[in-house]
Amino acid sequence: KAGVTQTPRYLIKTRGQQVTLSCSPISGHRSVSWYQQTPGQGLQFLFEYFSETQRNKGNFPGRFSGRQFSNSRSEMNVSTLELGDSALYLCASSLVGQGIQFFGPGTRLTVL
Amino acid sequence: QQQVKQSPQSLIVQKGGISIINCAYENTAFDYFPWYQQFPGKGPALLIAIRPDVSEKKEGRFTISFNKSAKQFSLHIMDSQPGDSATYFCAANGNSGYALNFGKGTSLLVTP
Repeated sequence: KAGVTQTPRYLIKTRGQQVTLSCSPISGHRSVSWYQQTPGQGLQFLFEYFSETQRNKGNFPGRFSGRQFSNSRSEMNVSTLELGDSALYLCASSLVGQGIQFFGPGTRLTVL
Repeated sequence: QQQVKQSPQSLIVQKGGISIINCAYENTAFDYFPWYQQFPGKGPALLIAIRPDVSEKKEGRFTISFNKSAKQFSLHIMDSQPGDSATYFCAANGNSGYALNFGKGTSLLVTP
């Protein structure tokens, strides 16, 4: 099976812009989670979607949002970008009923 | 608040030696404890995981030891190899969905 794919892999934006990142889970996986990885804060949970519904949300401002489509693909959006949003954004997928999460390669976002 | 505390931050081990990374948690609702390995430019990859009903799990050169009463778990890498040089993350989650709470990571360097 193909792994979790994320697009784009790299992105450069300026402050105040918005950005949309995309994630395609492993075939058959219905849960998609998003994480932000920075050197200072490490890996932090953003949100998790299952069957197009957000089930869990981490402690991030409302500028961070996401959605999941009927084919389980997911997107996350960050509006009004700040310098501190520069990070590696990771998507992980999992089967229903299992705790195992498989991560994609991430999208490296740089905010200038 | 960091729900999973990981130590050491960095570790240097000679080839053939044992690498030991420790993690501690507070939330007794956690019931799944995975370890992830991350190479530069890649997403985290699941290495091994344990649930609290067992005290040890071994897969090849990798062993998780789990102490439920102390709320601690550790990763042992036997016969460490230069190819094991990577960042290792412990994590935990419970019945709050699939949100993984990660430790801050340990950068392991195995010298030839």
